Amino acid sequence: RKEVEQDPGPFNVPEGATVAFNCTYSNSASQSFFWYRQDCRKEPKLLMSVYSSGNEDGRFTAQLNRASQYISLLIRDSKLSDSATYLCVVTAYTGGFKTIFGAGTRLFVKA
Amino acid sequence: EADIYQTPRYLVIGTGKKITLECSQTMGHDKMYWYQQDPGMELHLIHYSYGVNSTEKGDLSSESTVSRIRTEHFPLTLESARPSHTSQYLCASSENGRVGYEQYFGPGTRLTVT
Repeated sequence: RKEVEQDPGPFNVPEGATVAFNCTYSNSASQSFFWYRQDCRKEPKLLMSVYSSGNEDGRFTAQLNRASQYISLLIRDSKLSDSATYLCVVTAYTGGFKTIFGAGTRLFVKA
Repeated sequence: EADIYQTPRYLVIGTGKKITLECSQTMGHDKMYWYQQDPGMELHLIHYSYGVNSTEKGDLSSESTVSRIRTEHFPLTLESARPSHTSQYLCASSENGRVGYEQYFGPGTRLTVT
């Protein structure tokens, strides 16, 4: 079993739709959580950090459930420009810091 | 924008050649990383460093080597390139500390070995 697992995708949604991505992690000692966005043939870029209380940045909302070891990303009012791969990232301190990137979920937003 | 740079951006080279992929960052980050990523596939960590004179192998076995003589510089070397090394190589850096900090990525080097 992978340490970070994401919905396999791809997700194909129309413009304006709301889409949710899920991510689970196996290490209960995980401490930091992030969502990254990666456009085709580009480098990953930080989209948002995920806090225990949940956080929102415009159309994007991230949630963390430590008890269930689950992270989510909600995108409201999808735009064509949201088409990308979304990576769930988890960092755990186990004697040294280890950062694990999920395999990513591909999103296609269509007009 | 992150201040992390990679050169070259694209490289086509013949089998057997020695190559060095450059990575530098101006953020003063202690931690640096090299990832390998094939098109449409996930990132694989191949090397990382916690600071000067510190280098470790990552999760994916790689025939490359790295060095960290200066904080800002983390080059990756392939002594003898092979077609199986064709991939995108991404360098990243992050702050060090007990709390995990986000990683900032360079633009990548797309390597093709013929």
